[in-house]
Amino acid sequence: AQTVTQSQPEMSVQEAETVTLSCTYDTSESDYYLFWYKQPPSRQMILVIRQEAYKQQNATENRFSVNFQKAAKSFSLKISDSQLGDAAMYFCAYGRTGANNLFFGTGTRLTVIP
Amino acid sequence: EAQVTQNPRYLITVTGKKLTVTCSQNMNHEYMSWYRQDPGLGLRQIYYSMNVEVTDKGDVPEGYKVSRKEKRNFPLILESPSPNQTSLYFCASSPTPVGYGYTFGSGTRLTVV
Repeated sequence: AQTVTQSQPEMSVQEAETVTLSCTYDTSESDYYLFWYKQPPSRQMILVIRQEAYKQQNATENRFSVNFQKAAKSFSLKISDSQLGDAAMYFCAYGRTGANNLFFGTGTRLTVIP
Repeated sequence: EAQVTQNPRYLITVTGKKLTVTCSQNMNHEYMSWYRQDPGLGLRQIYYSMNVEVTDKGDVPEGYKVSRKEKRNFPLILESPSPNQTSLYFCASSPTPVGYGYTFGSGTRLTVV
């Protein structure tokens, strides 16, 4: 079964600084998708960024970018110029092309210090 | 506004009393799914549906039922809730099961006493 590992239960960052959240996954597949979701205190799950495994270029969305290392099965999220509104639980998710679901990691709680 | 509407937001019930959590999406998505979120376990899939009248079990289906009689609606039914079903539940929808990512509902916090 596929597994997604987020080894940092909690992280903190100073406002305006940069932070990187780690995610590794286990798969024997070559065609899949990876996602980062943000869950603020409102508990709404919000899609932050999406990466297609066959694309070598790392995805970016404004202040959010990923470092996708396919051989190492690593998918880290970098948040630049951190803002108070970035404080949330962040979940990494994996989905094999053609499968019926996404597998989620256990989450990393990010605190932003003013 | 494109959204997944999930109700109720909070629910406290007693063991054995049947309940239904409703989920509706307005994006004409074929794929819908239910997840439960527990501390330290992340999100785990309960059931999913590929289209009307097409449903199947996810990773943790025991104690749950679903139905998909209309494309927009995908209710989650707990016939006889037990305390181990106390959790945060999410409904999600997507054009396809994997490639686009999910649009989630706002979650239902269920407590079974």
